[in-house]
Amino acid sequence: GQQLNQSPQSMFIQEGEDVSMNCTSSSIFNTWLWYKQDPGEGPVLLIALYKAGELTSNGRLTAQFGITRKDSFLNISASIPSDVGIYFCAGQLYGSSNTGKLIFGQGTTLQVKP
Amino acid sequence: EAQVTQNPRYLITVTGKKLTVTCSQNMNHEYMSWYRQDPGLGLRQIYYSMNVEVTDKGDVPEGYKVSRKEKRNFPLILESPSPNQTSLYFCASSLRGRQPQHFGDGTRLSIL
Repeated sequence: GQQLNQSPQSMFIQEGEDVSMNCTSSSIFNTWLWYKQDPGEGPVLLIALYKAGELTSNGRLTAQFGITRKDSFLNISASIPSDVGIYFCAGQLYGSSNTGKLIFGQGTTLQVKP
Repeated sequence: EAQVTQNPRYLITVTGKKLTVTCSQNMNHEYMSWYRQDPGLGLRQIYYSMNVEVTDKGDVPEGYKVSRKEKRNFPLILESPSPNQTSLYFCASSLRGRQPQHFGDGTRLSIL
């Protein structure tokens, strides 16, 4: 089945630094999504991307939908301690019956040192 | 408050004892789905439902059942749980199948 390769697997950075993570796939997706998961909670949607080449920001977060539709990246600028968590990319495929199957990356664990 | 609610949040049980994890959403969403999360594997879809009485298998459906008798509820049933079903389970919903999904807070199941 489809797989997403998300990198890096983990990051340990200093507060104030910028962060970059990405996802690549051998398959084309219709939508790319980025989620954040805090301990003991479910994933929370950060950014949704719907068109190839699209660049979207949400506060200090910026994500892009790759031109080839096979990749996406997420940048976090000026990291703060509450950015700690696991970040997941997800590619969404639109089936013929209007389904929206999500394929998830393995996650990037981010730790921020104050 | 718009939310997806799962119960129980934690459960320890034994092999073969039937269990049900409930999921309810208050957003009038048509699409609902179940995922399991395992270390190093991300989230994998178990079953999904496009609307009432319409369900279909995801990537890892073996050992699970679902039903969608009402729009707001989508229970996950383990008829005869086994230790390899020990995992963290998430229910998710979206307005339509092609829109971003919103997740519940998860249910941690341990099957001994």
